[in-house]
Amino acid sequence: DVKVTQSSRYLVKRTGEKVFLECVQDMDHENMFWYRQDPGLGLRLIYFSYDVKMKEKGDIPEGYSVSREKKERFSLILESASTNQTSMYLCASSLSPARRAELFFGSGTQLSVL
Amino acid sequence: AQKITQTQPGMFVQEKEAVTLDCTYDTSDPSYGLFWYKQPSSGEMIFLIYQGSYDQQNATEGRYSLNFQKARKSANLVISASQLGDSAMYFCAMREFSSGNTPLVFGKGTRLSVIA
Repeated sequence: DVKVTQSSRYLVKRTGEKVFLECVQDMDHENMFWYRQDPGLGLRLIYFSYDVKMKEKGDIPEGYSVSREKKERFSLILESASTNQTSMYLCASSLSPARRAELFFGSGTQLSVL
Repeated sequence: AQKITQTQPGMFVQEKEAVTLDCTYDTSDPSYGLFWYKQPSSGEMIFLIYQGSYDQQNATEGRYSLNFQKARKSANLVISASQLGDSAMYFCAMREFSSGNTPLVFGKGTRLSVIA
């Protein structure tokens, strides 16, 4: 089974801190994604990557950056955390370029910025 | 730009009854795929069913079926014989194919509550 592992289930940080959310997948998937999930807003795409060292902005990249130095690892970085970044963050991966390639999700990180 | 609309924020259904969760989409790409995911209270996202825009038949997976009406741009999920374990958030999502490997775009979700 595909496994997508997010390093923390719950995280509490202070405003202004630099925050790293880590995601690792073990199935050699080319594609990796970061979404945030907020009540009433569904899942919104922050950044995605189709290959090592490449990244593409999603719909809401402001205040975030990403790093993909190795194929299996995709990190989301909050350069200076703010309270409006309190959210559930979901990492996902998929094979490429299969059209019906489903996303496999991690269990999520609930981030609270105080 | 693609867009997914789920108009039902919440729904209730009696156990053993069938329920339809609505999803409409907007795209000018003739080649696309539609996905449904389930998110129980545990938070995990579970893939349920897929429908391609050129698929001749509506997709089915066990108790899940997709009522695909291409002309109306709707892709409603039908759950037959609801069970208490079906209580969850349900998300509709779409990927366009003509532009290459594009990411999934999700709707806002529908919370389904199954009543005993």
